[in-house]
Amino acid sequence: DAGVIQSPRHEVTEMGQEVTLRCKPISGHNSLFWYRQTMMRGLELLIYFNNNVPIDDSGMPEDRFSAKMPNASFSTLKIQPSEPRDSAVYFCASSFQNYGYTFGSGTRLTVV
Amino acid sequence: SQQGEEDPQALSIQEGENATMNCSYKTSINNLQWYRQNSGRGLVHLILIRSNEREKHSGRLRVTLDTSKKSSSLLITASRAADTASYFCATDSGAGSYQLTFGKGTKLSVIP
Repeated sequence: DAGVIQSPRHEVTEMGQEVTLRCKPISGHNSLFWYRQTMMRGLELLIYFNNNVPIDDSGMPEDRFSAKMPNASFSTLKIQPSEPRDSAVYFCASSFQNYGYTFGSGTRLTVV
Repeated sequence: SQQGEEDPQALSIQEGENATMNCSYKTSINNLQWYRQNSGRGLVHLILIRSNEREKHSGRLRVTLDTSKKSSSLLITASRAADTASYFCATDSGAGSYQLTFGKGTKLSVIP
């Protein structure tokens, strides 16, 4: 298995633009997580899916953020409109029950 | 929300020495996990210890868990320059949820 695949690896966008981050979890994993990492706040859980259903989105900062998981092999995190304070590394992770997470390599987002 | 807190924030040792990192958490857990993050990369799962276990080994890693003190430690023996990374503990909510809350990590530097 190629692991959790995230795209793009790097994204630079102007304030106000829409950003879409993509994630392909490991086949057979039934949970998917989106995290954001910054120096100031560390790793923050944004949203968690189980069997493609959003279970907890209390970490989503505001209505500008949305996430979908249309099927077991794909998820997106969308920011519209983007702001400079959204600059961070966004990680997707997947797991099978609670046997430990496998993280993707992350998307480094810079909003200018 | 519950969170693991690592101590120390940064640790610098000579190659061959042992490195010990500590983690404290606030509420009941089902398991506690340790992850490593190399600079610019995603987190890698190292070891999981369940709440009914007191000690676990994996290669040069030794993890202990004291649920009465709500604390855990990660010991890396005979450290190598390649062990240079940030190390995070992560805890679940203890309520059947698979989501993890991460601490801010210990930055370990192993000097050759």
